[in-house]
Amino acid sequence: KAGVTQTPRYLIKTRGQQVTLSCSPISGHRSVSWYQQTPGQGLQFLFEYFSETQRNKGNFPGRFSGRQFSNSRSEMNVSTLELGDSALYLCASSFGTGPNSPLHFGNGTRLTVT
Amino acid sequence: AQTVTQSQPEMSVQEAETVTLSCTYDTSESDYYLFWYKQPPSRQMILVIRQEAYKQQNATENRFSVNFQKAAKSFSLKISDSQLGDAAMYFCAYRSPNTGNQFYFGTGTSLTVIP
Repeated sequence: KAGVTQTPRYLIKTRGQQVTLSCSPISGHRSVSWYQQTPGQGLQFLFEYFSETQRNKGNFPGRFSGRQFSNSRSEMNVSTLELGDSALYLCASSFGTGPNSPLHFGNGTRLTVT
Repeated sequence: AQTVTQSQPEMSVQEAETVTLSCTYDTSESDYYLFWYKQPPSRQMILVIRQEAYKQQNATENRFSVNFQKAAKSFSLKISDSQLGDAAMYFCAYRSPNTGNQFYFGTGTSLTVIP
């Protein structure tokens, strides 16, 4: 079974631009979560989608948004990029949200904002 | 919000020896789940072991085991017979049964395995 696939692996953008990151979950997984990882803040939860609905959202500004499609693939969008948005963005999928549904992570997208 | 603390930014262990990574957490919930994830240089977070808070028995996965002390809110990871492939960042994580897949992660411990 293929793992969680994130594209692209690396991205360089300029401040003020917007960016879209993509995540394909493991086949059969309906929950997709996004996390931001930085050296200073560590891993922080962005949001979670389940069956195309946002179930939960972390403490990030409205510039960060996402969506999930009917095939469970998810995209994350960041508008008006700031230097502080430079980070590794990790996507994780799980079968559900129950106690025996651990997160399975992708390799991440490394975003650099200049 | 729950907080997870890993007080050891870096640890090292000789190959074939045993090492223990510490993790404490703060919560007012009685039911929750705890995880250890490993992140090698490839960046992919890999699940190492998980523990349900209502289970008193400590979880074990091959060379990996935990010491779960619920009253002390402590969840340490023991790696036995350390191998070179164990070198990675290790993250402790907390998950509430009420917030879906919102995990709270510690700041990580970088483990070096010395040949």
